[in-house]
Amino acid sequence: EVQLVESGGGLVQPGGSLRLSCAASGFTFSSNWMHWVRQAPGEGPVWVSRINSDGNTTRYADSVKGRFTISRDNAKNMLFLQMNSLRAEDTAVYYCARGAGGYYNAWGQGTLVTVSS
Amino acid sequence: EIVLTQSPGTLSLSPGERATLSCRASQSVSSGYLAWYHQKPGQAPRLLIYGASSRATGIPDRFSGSGSGTDFTLTISRLEPEDFAMYYCQQYVTAPFTFGPGTKVDIK
Repeated sequence: EVQLVESGGGLVQPGGSLRLSCAASGFTFSSNWMHWVRQAPGEGPVWVSRINSDGNTTRYADSVKGRFTISRDNAKNMLFLQMNSLRAEDTAVYYCARGAGGYYNAWGQGTLVTVSS
Repeated sequence: EIVLTQSPGTLSLSPGERATLSCRASQSVSSGYLAWYHQKPGQAPRLLIYGASSRATGIPDRFSGSGSGTDFTLTISRLEPEDFAMYYCQQYVTAPFTFGPGTKVDIK
């Protein structure tokens, strides 16, 4: 069974940092592109970042470029999102998702990030 | 960036009825690179349809997708109790890949 389990969310002050993790199991993690997608309360999902299968290529939404860094450890089946200079508008549930040619065919349960003073 | 608009915002129906959800794109979504997801409260989105009309693994055949260009439709032939949820469309033809604002299907 495919499983994606996120962790690392929490309450952080504006300007602060958090590192999200996603543990993958049940599939060949090293063969899949992986993504972070976030969803603010009451809104639709928004793509944040993606990384290719070997970790050599990354892309970011303009809203997080220069502040967030996606990475992966294929030996440990782990995906990460380092979030710096956090803003109130970054408040959302963050999901890791398995990419499949542009759509997402597996999602974690999400981890809530709240940016507030 | 391709903007997706979904209508109606809310669809109030009874179990057993047919649901028709619309997704309109601001530019052509060529090759049918459009997906549909549903999401229940407190849960992650789940893939229903990809390639505009292909059902994802394990999705029952009461769900069907159609459309091309800028207009796409998700149809649920007979609503089951577990189908009352939010539904989102997503385009993956042009980066950044974007989602619509959603249609809520609730019980009448």
